[in-house]
Amino acid sequence: SYVLTQPPSVSVAPGQTARITCGGNNIGTKSVHWYQQRPGQAPVLVVYDNNDRPSGIPERFSGSNSGNTATLTISRVEAGDEADYYCQVWDSSSDQGVFGGGTKLTVL
Amino acid sequence: EVQLVQSGAEVKKPGESLKISCKGSGYSFDSYWIGWVRQTPGKGLEWMGIIYPGDSETRYSPSFQGQVTISVDKSTRIAYLRWSSLKASDTATYYCARIEASGTYQGDFWGQGTLVTVSS
Repeated sequence: SYVLTQPPSVSVAPGQTARITCGGNNIGTKSVHWYQQRPGQAPVLVVYDNNDRPSGIPERFSGSNSGNTATLTISRVEAGDEADYYCQVWDSSSDQGVFGGGTKLTVL
Repeated sequence: EVQLVQSGAEVKKPGESLKISCKGSGYSFDSYWIGWVRQTPGKGLEWMGIIYPGDSETRYSPSFQGQVTISVDKSTRIAYLRWSSLKASDTATYYCARIEASGTYQGDFWGQGTLVTVSS
């Protein structure tokens, strides 16, 4: 089955830019979605279809996807962005969704 | 307003059966998939499977095929996740999500989660 690989943790100072990667074989050919999960809360979709934002998600959140790596970029990081972030794709060969292992974003 | 409201926390013994629910409102229930996602304590998200209320088509992740049953009652707008014989390893929080039906399959709205604890 399709495997998505994320770094376990990323740290960034407030006001700086955080980049969280999601690796997968030819992931650039797939639509990648990103979720934010704060402790004790349900996941929230922050980017879908590689680089679109749902209503209500700040423009600071953006995405890109090419080759074997998709990236979630969070600009001007705030303390409230501290959370776990998960990438997700649909694997059409097995007809199932797949999540990456998640990345814990720490705001220093 | 789109909402998915899940049933409350459950405490069960190994071997018992259980059905948890997810009620959708505020959108055309027939036109989106409903998905179930497992999160074991301190761990990541796992995709369990999805069901399309319009025709009850169901797709299970291989890891969960035969372990759970996903069903839906579109007259009441409720999706279900059922176990016939729980194990301690089923202890987790289970989320339902509205899954986009256009072919990209993102979960754009999520329920609040149902904590299932299985312990003797």
